[in-house]
Amino acid sequence: AQKVTQAQTEISVVEKEDVTLDCVYETRDTTYYLFWYKQPPSGELVFLIRRNSFDEQNEISGRYSWNFQKSTSSFNFTITASQVVDSAVYFCALSSSIQGAQKLVFGQGTRLTINP
Amino acid sequence: ETGVTQTPRHLVMGMTNKKSLKCEQHLGHNAMYWYKQSAKKPLELMFVYSLEERVENNSVPSRFSPECPNSSHLFLHLHTLQPEDSALYLCASSHWLAGVTDTQYFGPGTRLTVL
Repeated sequence: AQKVTQAQTEISVVEKEDVTLDCVYETRDTTYYLFWYKQPPSGELVFLIRRNSFDEQNEISGRYSWNFQKSTSSFNFTITASQVVDSAVYFCALSSSIQGAQKLVFGQGTRLTINP
Repeated sequence: ETGVTQTPRHLVMGMTNKKSLKCEQHLGHNAMYWYKQSAKKPLELMFVYSLEERVENNSVPSRFSPECPNSSHLFLHLHTLQPEDSALYLCASSHWLAGVTDTQYFGPGTRLTVL
């Protein structure tokens, strides 16, 4: 069965600190996709990144970076120089193909609080 | 309107009421999803529609009834709900093509409270 584990339930840091959110996944699929979503207090899940299982290159987008390591089944997310606006719940998700569509298996989420 | 919209944003209903949640996507996608987000559980997939056909029903109680009249609209009809059904209900859409995994884009959700 597919599973995503985000062991950190809550993280609180002071503004400008770097913070890493961990994500570990389990799957028997040889081809799969991993995602990160951000959920601010408004409730909407905002897409951040999609990575396929064949692409292990790290990715950087501004202050955000992602480290995908297939050997340890991890897809960690780092925010550099955190800001108060980064406060949200962050979800890691794993895709699974079903007939005619796909589904996402989500981790429990990590609530990130950035204090001024 | 852009992206995925959901109405109403907030809903309070009694256990004997009948109500419907509406989702509309403006992204040209052909697959739509309902998720439930409870306080103590991870996001749970409820239903999936692809090309207006239901392709997944994750053992959801029959008091939840989905409807997908076309590729842009998705409804969740609610009747005789229980207090434990109180949750945030999220709609998502994506493009689906055989062998291709596309990103799901989410609406803002409907916060449902069952009294």
